Amino acid sequence: DTGVSQDPRHKITKRGQNVTFRCDPISEHNRLYWYRQTLGQGPEFLTYFQNEAQLEKSRLLSDRFSAERPKGSFSTLEIQRTEQGDSAMYLCASSSAWQNYGYTFGSGTRLTVV
Amino acid sequence: AQTVTQSQPEMSVQEAETVTLSCTYDTSENNYYLFWYKQPPSRQMILVIRQEAYKQQNATENRFSVNFQKAAKSFSLKISDSQLGDTAMYFCAFMKPQNRDDKIIFGKGTRLHILP
Repeated sequence: DTGVSQDPRHKITKRGQNVTFRCDPISEHNRLYWYRQTLGQGPEFLTYFQNEAQLEKSRLLSDRFSAERPKGSFSTLEIQRTEQGDSAMYLCASSSAWQNYGYTFGSGTRLTVV
Repeated sequence: AQTVTQSQPEMSVQEAETVTLSCTYDTSENNYYLFWYKQPPSRQMILVIRQEAYKQQNATENRFSVNFQKAAKSFSLKISDSQLGDTAMYFCAFMKPQNRDDKIIFGKGTRLHILP
């Protein structure tokens, strides 16, 4: 297992365009989390899944954001009609519901909206 | 709601020195977990050390140790014999135990520079 993978690493998009990010968690982890991190700040929680069920969404996740985890494996985070304020690092992490060892993070997707 | 506060935005120390990063948190929970994560420049976040609130003994991992003061809700990280590779952002984080609401809450971070 190579850890948590995120694709793409970098994305530059024009304002108003839609973007989609992918996260592949550690295979035996049933929980998957999305966080957003702006420059010089700590990660902020967006949403999380246990298996395929989306259990919680932050108020930060506006109607333009949607996340899915079909079949409880990989997850996608889509942002529609991107705005400059969406520019950030989007981090994915996974964990096991049976352990409290903290999360394993991916390398993140850096989004720049121009 | 839980909050995590890191009062030192940035610190610099000489290589081989010992440095302590501060963290306080606020919670009404009795059982929880605390973490320190390290995020090197342009690299992914990795777990440095973990502390269960029900354990009185402070966690240690090689050169990294914590001072956990539950009553004071304080959780500081000590890095001994600091190395250039310790240069990174360090985030203190809080998590309630396993249940439907186990998301980790992060502080704003402390940027640590180890100087040669």
